[in-house]
Amino acid sequence: DTAVSQTPKYLVTQMGNDKSIKCEQNLGHDTMYWYKQDSKKFLKIMFSYNNKELIINETVPNRFSPKSPDKAHLNLHINSLELGDSAVYFCASSQERHATNEKLFFGSGTQLSVL
Amino acid sequence: EDQVTQSPEALRLQEGESSSLNCSYTVSGLRGLFWYRQDPGKGPEFLFTLYSAGEEKEKERLKATLTKKESFLHITAPKPEDSATYLCAVQPPRSNYQLIWGAGTKLIIKP
Repeated sequence: DTAVSQTPKYLVTQMGNDKSIKCEQNLGHDTMYWYKQDSKKFLKIMFSYNNKELIINETVPNRFSPKSPDKAHLNLHINSLELGDSAVYFCASSQERHATNEKLFFGSGTQLSVL
Repeated sequence: EDQVTQSPEALRLQEGESSSLNCSYTVSGLRGLFWYRQDPGKGPEFLFTLYSAGEEKEKERLKATLTKKESFLHITAPKPEDSATYLCAVQPPRSNYQLIWGAGTKLIIKP
């Protein structure tokens, strides 16, 4: 059983389109995250939800909107895609809020290519 | 500005050739330093957390150490399956959630 699963694995789309990435965790964790990994491999946090409540919202364009229907799911919707949005997006979860001492469990990533 | 720098960017070793990866940081009052392993096409996988200078953690052929300015990931007698990108992340004191990540060291172990 995959602990943190995200779909799709690859997403190729045109500029201006709207797309969504889905994430589910079966670990019973309270907190979920979206990270962006750029071409230089730096990971940057975008959002964090704890029990469906948004607790981290970094400086991310309004075109990105997370949605958490329940604590096991955190989806990412992106409007009006731009070339600069091309990156690998990772979903992650942790047992505790804010992951102060807990390790993060990552999904396998979604490689988004905007043409 | 808080920063994490990993070196080298890439490291090629022969199987059995021990070496170390470096993670230096400019964060003062560190709350924690994390090491992760990332295989191609996969998400990072947790390895270690270190909290205070002098602390050491071991797992199989890997040993992580921490000083006030840097951490080392020592790999002893590596095998080809140890090939991966090793990421370091630090948790600064001003924030109890945000991790600052390094760009990683790509380790290649040749048989």
